Amino acid sequence: DAGVIQSPRHEVTEMGQEVTLRCKLISGHNSLFWYRQTMMRGLELLIYFNNNVPIDDSGMPEDRFSAKMPNASFSTLKIQPSEPRDSAVYFCASSLGIGELFFGEGSRLTVL
Amino acid sequence: EDQVTQSPEALRLQEGESSSLNCSYTVSGLRGLFWYRQDPGKGPEFLFTLYSAGEEKEKERLKATLTKKESFLHITAPKPEDSATYLCAVLSSGNTPLVFGKGTRLSVIA
Repeated sequence: DAGVIQSPRHEVTEMGQEVTLRCKLISGHNSLFWYRQTMMRGLELLIYFNNNVPIDDSGMPEDRFSAKMPNASFSTLKIQPSEPRDSAVYFCASSLGIGELFFGEGSRLTVL
Repeated sequence: EDQVTQSPEALRLQEGESSSLNCSYTVSGLRGLFWYRQDPGKGPEFLFTLYSAGEEKEKERLKATLTKKESFLHITAPKPEDSATYLCAVLSSGNTPLVFGKGTRLSVIA
């Protein structure tokens, strides 16, 4: 199995631009999680889906952030418009249920 | 609200110098405590799950233990390849995903 696949691995953009991060789940997993990691705050949960349905989006910072899961194996996280304080590493993880998570390699976002 | 505190933030060891990392937690009913290893530029990689106080798990030079308030990750005779950030996370009885600590950054010097 290829594991959780994220793209892009690195993204550098200017303030105000739209950013789209992508994630492909491990085949057979039914839960999808988006986390954000910074030195100051560590790993923070943004949103998670179970069977393609958003269950908890209370960690999404504000309306500029949105996430979708158009099918059982794929998800996107969109930031529009982006701001410098959004700079972080964004991780996608998948699992069966909400126990052990399998993480992707992350997308490092820099907003100038 | 579930909380996880890891200490120390950073630890520097000589090769062969055993030590322990601490993970203190406050949860409303613990369903599981997870340890992950994260290498620079990579995603966290699963190491262990502990479910009840008194439980222990081992993998190579690592041993994880659990009490009702904290977990320890013991590293015996570490090698430079053990250098990484070690993350602790808890799963509570509520329907909420893993809550992570900020991690301990371990450096093992040859």
